[in-house]
Amino acid sequence: DVKVTQSSRYLVKRTGEKVFLECVQDMDHENMFWYRQDPGLGLRLIYFSYDVKMKEKGDIPEGYSVSREKKERFSLILESASTNQTSMYLCASSLNGGGFKGTDTQYFGPGTRLTVL
Amino acid sequence: EDKVVQSPLSLVVHEGDTVTLNCSYEVTNFRSLLWYKQEKKAPTFLFMLTSSGIEKKSGRLSSILDKKELFSILNITATQTGDSAIYLCAVVGYGGATNKLIFGTGTLLAVQP
Repeated sequence: DVKVTQSSRYLVKRTGEKVFLECVQDMDHENMFWYRQDPGLGLRLIYFSYDVKMKEKGDIPEGYSVSREKKERFSLILESASTNQTSMYLCASSLNGGGFKGTDTQYFGPGTRLTVL
Repeated sequence: EDKVVQSPLSLVVHEGDTVTLNCSYEVTNFRSLLWYKQEKKAPTFLFMLTSSGIEKKSGRLSSILDKKELFSILNITATQTGDSAIYLCAVVGYGGATNKLIFGTGTLLAVQP
């Protein structure tokens, strides 16, 4: 079974703090994704990575950065957390890199509910 | 702009009822359409659809895709309380370097005993 884990289930931070969310997958997937999920807005893609050290902006990258130093690990960084970044953050991974190869199915981690006070 | 629209936004039914959830999309470079079920935690994969008119079935759940009219439906027959969840539709579009999923906002299904 594919396993995607996230470092924290719940996190409370203060405005202005730097926040790191970690995601690890154990199935040697090339693609990894960070989403945030908000009521009424669904899942929105923040950043994704299709290879080590490669990243691309999703739909809402502002206020976030990412790091992929190892294939199995994809980190989401909030440089200076703000209250509007309070949300559920979901990490996902999928098999194979770009183009029309591989599966489209993304496997999700359990999510991190971040509250910024 | 790519978009995926799900309807209804929410639905309350009684056990044993049959429900139909809808997903329409406008996505460039369409590759496939995925259905997910999300309970308290992360979404879990249900179906992937790539071809029109071919029904995918798993137990009481089934789904079909119409690529001409750009929509899909998810049917659940003989609903049970355990079917209560948010059902997410996502469309895969080719985004240059890799594929990207565009999610709908989901349909919240509540099945009452």
